[in-house]
Amino acid sequence: GAVVSQHPSRVICKSGTSVKIECRSLDFQATTMFWYRQFPKQSLMLMATSNEGSKATYEQGVEKDKFLINHASLTLSTLTVTSAHPEDSSFYICSARDPGRGPSYNEQFFGPGTRLTVL
Amino acid sequence: GENVEQHPSTLSVQEGDSAVIKCTYSDSASNYFPWYKQELGKRPQLIIDIRSNVGEKKDQRIAVTLNKTAKHFSLHITETQPEDSAVYFCAATSIPGSARQLTFGSGTQLTVLP
Repeated sequence: GAVVSQHPSRVICKSGTSVKIECRSLDFQATTMFWYRQFPKQSLMLMATSNEGSKATYEQGVEKDKFLINHASLTLSTLTVTSAHPEDSSFYICSARDPGRGPSYNEQFFGPGTRLTVL
Repeated sequence: GENVEQHPSTLSVQEGDSAVIKCTYSDSASNYFPWYKQELGKRPQLIIDIRSNVGEKKDQRIAVTLNKTAKHFSLHITETQPEDSAVYFCAATSIPGSARQLTFGSGTQLTVLP
């Protein structure tokens, strides 16, 4: 199957700093990637849809100025948590479809996730 | 937008017994329904999926059924084993344009007791 990587896997930062998380499709090109946030013992909540070469689409309630998304190439999307606070501590996961498998292929491939802890 | 409800939130079964998890969805345009297994701190792993033109799909001990009219789908695990213990999520596509975003259910913590 297609492979999606994320970096870093874990990050601890001080309150007020910014953290960048990378999501890469390793063996396919992804025009669209998705960013999810998962709090402990909760479900995956879609934060935004990252579109290559254009602005991301944010879900209701997600601050676009706080969670900056850049999708500058077909294999890389980045999520930057700006001015992080303890309540931003969470598990962040990205995913992507492989459009090269055809329009009827629906499976999404998930990255391994990034555990963010803000002190 | 799409709304997916999942029940139960926790499920304990004896090893060898069957487990059933149920989900309902709201958007009649949804056409793809995957099930994921997630172990603590790991990424969700696709275990089975079904499309809206199919009523049932089976893969060894795992099966999924879909009732489009009622807008619900279920995961069936037979002959459960301790390694089946994990959190299971159902999901459905919501298709604004061609984005194919997934909407997840709230999850079911399955515990298989030896």
